[in-house]
Amino acid sequence: EIVLTQSPGTLSLSPGERATLSCRASQSVGNNYLAWYEQKPGQAPRLLIYDASTRATGVPDRFSGSGSGTDFTLTISRLEPEDFAVYYCHQYATSPLTFGGGTRVEIK
Amino acid sequence: QVQLRGSGPGLVKPSETLSLTCTVSGGSISSYYWGCIRQPPGKGLEWIGYIYYSGSTIYNPSLNSRVTISLDTSKNQFSLKLNSVTAADTAVYYCVRGAGWLPHSWGQGTLVTVSS
Repeated sequence: EIVLTQSPGTLSLSPGERATLSCRASQSVGNNYLAWYEQKPGQAPRLLIYDASTRATGVPDRFSGSGSGTDFTLTISRLEPEDFAVYYCHQYATSPLTFGGGTRVEIK
Repeated sequence: QVQLRGSGPGLVKPSETLSLTCTVSGGSISSYYWGCIRQPPGKGLEWIGYIYYSGSTIYNPSLNSRVTISLDTSKNQFSLKLNSVTAADTAVYYCVRGAGWLPHSWGQGTLVTVSS
């Protein structure tokens, strides 16, 4: 099973600042099949990034994904008020599919 | 745009079977992967399994012996059954459509509580 470790657990930032979220895999993620989701309270997760760096339809370009192999990053270039949420990384290359533990981005 | 809506009992007794029906609208179930992901209150996400439109299934080994996902193409629905439940199975259960194995579209989630 591929274990995904996200860091930091919580990120305290102000609107307008840059957010950098990390996801490290216990083994290489095949084809870089790594996705990022945003989840707000009481809502289902929303797909932001897939294939490590491809933005999903309708996702603003302030969100970007990078990385390959075992190290992946989600960057939010300038935080908007609606971006304060929990973010999960997810590998869909190898069964069982697994998720990271999440990074909470909170208002400082 | 495809929409998924889960339905089923919100309360299940320990040792019984959890049943969730996912109804698909805005698209045919006769393509794509269909499956379930759950989230215990205040915790992270756990993939349960998928069924392909052809009927083949793949499950999380941690639940493999207890889980069944099936399709009803005549009703554009798929269903989850999880047997021998315990309090650890209390969670919000999401119906999802997979683009390949990527969970692309999600339902709103259904809270299922296991309690006597």
